[in-house]
Amino acid sequence: GDQVEQSPSALSLHEGTGSALRCNFTTTMRAVQWFRKNSRGSLINLFYLASGTKENGRLKSAFDSKERYSTLHIRDAQLEDSGTYFCAASNYNQGKLIFGQGTKLSIKP
Amino acid sequence: GPKVLQIPSHQIIDMGQMVTLNCDPVSNHLYFYWYKQILGQQMEFLVNFYNGKVMEKSKLFKDQFSVERPDGSYFTLKIQPTALEDSAVYFCASSYRGNQAPLFGEGTRLSVL
Repeated sequence: GDQVEQSPSALSLHEGTGSALRCNFTTTMRAVQWFRKNSRGSLINLFYLASGTKENGRLKSAFDSKERYSTLHIRDAQLEDSGTYFCAASNYNQGKLIFGQGTKLSIKP
Repeated sequence: GPKVLQIPSHQIIDMGQMVTLNCDPVSNHLYFYWYKQILGQQMEFLVNFYNGKVMEKSKLFKDQFSVERPDGSYFTLKIQPTALEDSAVYFCASSYRGNQAPLFGEGTRLSVL
């Protein structure tokens, strides 16, 4: 079936540095969503993209449907960015999301 | 901002009993979803619901599962009877359109003993 492969599974960064998370899709997806799960287990919506790129503060996301991937870039990481990040993609308009396995991000002083 | 509320946050139940998980979606939303996440595993789609009907359900949506939204109130997931493998966190989500980012609730942790 349709798969979403997210990498890395875990990432450790020092404050002030940056990196990127990536999701590859085994089929053409229509849209992608990026979430952060906070300490209470709530899914915080970061981005929803049907194409192109979006930026919000120190986060930037890109989605290429044809090349079947999406990325989430974090720059100038802060301690409060720690958490588990998920991508989820849908391949039609009824909204069913297929989730990646998540990336556990740890920010160190 | 608008929120999807899930009640209760944690439910403990004996195997074989019935349980109803309640979701209070955003008031003008029309599409509703349930997802299931077993501890340590990926979040997985269960079912979506629009205009009073199930639109799609996954293989995880067993015959013991049912959903409804009577009279525009709570969107509910009922499991009858429950089994040990139903222990998981269940997330509800809603959106105004099908091609719009759904808003997720905080989840209900279901423990079946």
